[in-house]
Amino acid sequence: QKEVEQNSGPLSVPEGAIASLNCTYSDRGSQSFFWYRQYSGKSPELIMFIYSNGDKEDGRFTAQLNKASQYVSLLIRDSQPSDSATYLCAGDSGGYQKVTFGIGTKLQVIP
Amino acid sequence: NAGVMQNPRHLVRRRGQEARLRCSPMKGHSHVYWYRQLPEEGLKFMVYLQKENIIDESGMPKERFSAEFPKEGPSILRIQQVVRGDSAAYFCASSEGRRETQYFGPGTRLLVL
Repeated sequence: QKEVEQNSGPLSVPEGAIASLNCTYSDRGSQSFFWYRQYSGKSPELIMFIYSNGDKEDGRFTAQLNKASQYVSLLIRDSQPSDSATYLCAGDSGGYQKVTFGIGTKLQVIP
Repeated sequence: NAGVMQNPRHLVRRRGQEARLRCSPMKGHSHVYWYRQLPEEGLKFMVYLQKENIIDESGMPKERFSAEFPKEGPSILRIQQVVRGDSAAYFCASSEGRRETQYFGPGTRLLVL
């Protein structure tokens, strides 16, 4: 039983558009959620984390959490080719309530 | 303030040899996680350790793989009698607590010839 689910993509958006990345989770007890970016051949790096319902903004990135729907999203405004990467959603779900990862969504920003 | 360190960064082994991958967590972090990633695939959880204890090894293959995180020194992921299918990137991450942000090391790329 998967605890954090993402569409693997690829998601293609034109440069300058808003990229919307989505994630659902199955454990209603989950409290913390994280978005990581992973460039090809590199290690994952943290972009944002969110604990509370609603939106959290940081520069061009906005994370959204809806606990009632068990849904987490990441919006990237003014997408740039350098945003092309795989985006991993993670939440504190599963056994021992450790942080577990979704499969990741591959984003392609087309110049 | 060093981040998570892994060594070696690249490791080449012949079939049947042993591979030892090391991970030093960030200062102040006592939770360590190991992940495996095959090319073009997602992160696969392998094992979660705290100092001297294995908390969750549900992602570890039952044979040939073992992990430890001793009281002193780095965490070690050990693969005995490697096979070609073990070729992958192995990432270590550490956190302050089990629900806290995980920070990743640069990974060890294992190639089995």
